[in-house]
Amino acid sequence: QVQLQESGPGLVKPSGTLSLTCAVSGDSINSNWWSWVRQPPGKGLEWIGEIYHSGSPNYNPSLKSRVTMSLDQSENHFSLNLTSLTAADTAVYYCARLNFNYYYYYMDVWGKGTTVTVSS
Amino acid sequence: EIVLTQSPGTLSLSPGERATLSCRASQSVSSSYLAWYQQKPGQAPRLLIYSVSSRATGIPDRFSGSGSGTDFTLTISRLEPEDFAVYYCQQYGNLQVTFGQGTRLEIK
Repeated sequence: QVQLQESGPGLVKPSGTLSLTCAVSGDSINSNWWSWVRQPPGKGLEWIGEIYHSGSPNYNPSLKSRVTMSLDQSENHFSLNLTSLTAADTAVYYCARLNFNYYYYYMDVWGKGTTVTVSS
Repeated sequence: EIVLTQSPGTLSLSPGERATLSCRASQSVSSSYLAWYQQKPGQAPRLLIYSVSSRATGIPDRFSGSGSGTDFTLTISRLEPEDFAVYYCQQYGNLQVTFGQGTRLEIK
């Protein structure tokens, strides 16, 4: 059974950097694409980006200048860094497994989500 | 960016009724790349449908998807109490992913 678990600080300061990790169990980080999605309080879902073990990550253009995603094959986890934080970055952050090829694109396994609050 | 607009914003129905949720795209979406998710309060989204009409593993057959081009529909044939939740459509195109704003399905 594939499971994903997000971890990271629950509170970060404005102008600071958010670093989150998603630990993957039951699957290899080299076997799939992986993605991050966030959800501000009371609002809808926003795609942050996706990463594969080969090739360059693909980011949401609205966040591209502030986002970095990476994979750690030795730890079987992937990470998200988001810089220059503002209150608008306050959200629940989800990691998800992405199935992607010519015939389909969908996120079938999700972490439970981690709440991040940007506040001084 | 392809904008997805879901309607209605809120749908009030009773258990046993049929639910029809709409997702309209600002430009044509590949049929390979349109999915639907269900989200309950305090939970992560759950994949229901991918590639417009393929049900994800373990999803009951009362859930079905249809559509093409810019107009897509999620249908729940007979509502069960556990189906009352928020539903999102999602597309991938031009190297970007966008979600609709969601339809809240509530008990009447």
